[in-house]
Amino acid sequence: GAVVSQHPSRVICKSGTSVKIECRSLDFQATTMFWYRQFPKQSLMLMATSNEGSKATYEQGVEKDKFLINHASLTLSTLTVTSAHPEDSSFYICSATPSSGEFSYYEQYFGPGTRLTVT
Amino acid sequence: GQQVMQIPQYQHVQEGEDFTTYCNSSTTLSNIQWYKQRPGGHPVFLIQLVKSGEVKKQKRLTFQFGEAKKNSSLHITATQTTDVGTYFCAGPRTGGFKTIFGAGTRLFVKA
Repeated sequence: GAVVSQHPSRVICKSGTSVKIECRSLDFQATTMFWYRQFPKQSLMLMATSNEGSKATYEQGVEKDKFLINHASLTLSTLTVTSAHPEDSSFYICSATPSSGEFSYYEQYFGPGTRLTVT
Repeated sequence: GQQVMQIPQYQHVQEGEDFTTYCNSSTTLSNIQWYKQRPGGHPVFLIQLVKSGEVKKQKRLTFQFGEAKKNSSLHITATQTTDVGTYFCAGPRTGGFKTIFGAGTRLFVKA
């Protein structure tokens, strides 16, 4: 159990276009999902917290108008990178914690990640 | 601000040797988690420690949470090539449920 999928796994887009990344919890419901960004050989940097039915909360320094997050249901959150630029190229990973009681609130299950390349 | 530090940054070992990574938090943690990320992969949850002084084992992996709940360690006995990857410790941010990750320790195992 506790499987998270992400789509697409890789995407190449041109500068100025927008890209949508989907994060789905396949076998559990998740009230909260997290979006991270990871640069090569570095740790995970939390970008935002996605809350089902309410607005996402963004970490300091993350532009909410550039990284649009929609948590449409208890199993789906989307991250849209708007007007992408080469500096947005990175590995984007989502995570979720099952809402059921058998899991600790802090256990996070990560999607496989999306590698975004902006040319 | 709150920090979670990990050492070493990377370590090369010969297959069969032991390996330890250490995690230190600037604040007391209610719990600590460990994750493993294989090259090209995503972090995978390994374990969570909650109690002061707690020790948990998973086959060749031994996890320890310090008495003061500010540090933790992961020890791998007799490393194998399948242990290659980056090991992250992580803890909850003070006052919330968000997680702060350590910088990770990259383990290289030579056969």
